[in-house]
Amino acid sequence: AQSVSQHNHHVILSEAASLELGCNYSYGGTVNLFWYVQYPGQHLQLLLKYFSGDPLVKGIKGFEAEFIKSKFSFNLRKPSVQWSDTAEYFCAVTAPGGGADGLTFGKGTHLIIQP
Amino acid sequence: DTGVSQDPRHKITKRGQNVTFRCDPISEHNRLYWYRQTLGQGPEFLTYFQNEAQLEKSRLLSDRFSAERPKGSFSTLEIQRTEQGDSAMYLCASSSPGMTETQYFGPGTRLLVL
Repeated sequence: AQSVSQHNHHVILSEAASLELGCNYSYGGTVNLFWYVQYPGQHLQLLLKYFSGDPLVKGIKGFEAEFIKSKFSFNLRKPSVQWSDTAEYFCAVTAPGGGADGLTFGKGTHLIIQP
Repeated sequence: DTGVSQDPRHKITKRGQNVTFRCDPISEHNRLYWYRQTLGQGPEFLTYFQNEAQLEKSRLLSDRFSAERPKGSFSTLEIQRTEQGDSAMYLCASSSPGMTETQYFGPGTRLLVL
């Protein structure tokens, strides 16, 4: 069975600080990887995704993530955070083609950016 | 593209009552997923449809839960004889199948069972 581990449940940063949120997955095969974000009072939105090719993927709002196959990791990064990045961030994995069992999510990281 | 919509957004019910939620997917998407999210957890897969066929159900989906997608468009999730443990956010997502399948989520229905 697939599983996703997000190491930090709560992160507090000041504006302009650099961000890295950890995500490790367990799955015995090729995976598709996603980061979703949930801003306060809003629904889950896709931040970025990785299917194949260049392991460094760029998403919306200046976020990027790097897939390291040997470490089963897909960490999310942003060089300089803004107050508006305050949100809940979820890492998720699925087999290519999706379907059965849907997305497997981590427990999420609650990010608070202090002005 | 109006996105995935869900109705109602909030539901308060008493233990033992039945509740039904509706999800309208993005129009061109033929896959539809239901998830449940409790406080401090990520969403957990419940079931999914491809067109009108329900292809997979999680062990989380007890006999009190039933989902339908009768015409391959909107879907309903019904919970019979609700229990306090059913209190959660129920999320719907839709997608088009393929190796690069990406799911898009609705706003969810927050259920509180008293």
